[in-house]
Amino acid sequence: SQQGEEDPQALSIQEGENATMNCSYKTSINNLQWYRQNSGRGLVHLILIRSNEREKHSGRLRVTLDTSKKSSSLLITASRAADTASYFCATDAYNAGNMLTFGGGTRLMVKP
Amino acid sequence: GAGVSQSPSNKVTEKGKDVELRCDPISGHTALYWYRQSLGQGLEFLIYFQGNSAPDKSGLPSDRFSAERTGGSVSTLTIQRTQQEDSAVYLCASSSFQTGGYTFGSGTRLTVV
Repeated sequence: SQQGEEDPQALSIQEGENATMNCSYKTSINNLQWYRQNSGRGLVHLILIRSNEREKHSGRLRVTLDTSKKSSSLLITASRAADTASYFCATDAYNAGNMLTFGGGTRLMVKP
Repeated sequence: GAGVSQSPSNKVTEKGKDVELRCDPISGHTALYWYRQSLGQGLEFLIYFQGNSAPDKSGLPSDRFSAERTGGSVSTLTIQRTQQEDSAVYLCASSSFQTGGYTFGSGTRLTVV
């Protein structure tokens, strides 16, 4: 079963708008990561947030983590057509070594 | 190399044949992972190698699937007697314990006809 579940499954916005994707998980974690995937091939690591962190920024990306609610959100500000991709959250569970469990992903489409 | 390399990038095989998929991780990364992804789906964990420890094979879907990692570097995922439901993109990733983030290869798209 999947540890992370993304919401929404699909999101369509206009260029320049902000995109928010949410992720919920079930068990205690060491960290939570977000990845991006273009065209169904390799994933690219975007950002890692540790369980003792609440918010992290990287360029136009902002990630929040609420361990009490077992949830995270990824915000992409001022979206661009090139941001069109699938976005996955992945959790490094507390007793799973360094192994990540991925959610089903959010398919983001940014219309020019 | 600078990234994780997978070969072949595409493989079409007949049902019942065996296939081998190769992954060359980033030099120095002690952890190596295999996942597979069916069309439009999330990633399904298959197997995890960490250093010299016994691999975590808990995700392998059947005994037709096996994987090796030789010399702590290159890994080969073998699927015997392929079935149509094995069709998917097989993704390999490596990581170092210090960073935690995975670096993925571009995957092998396997089609069983």
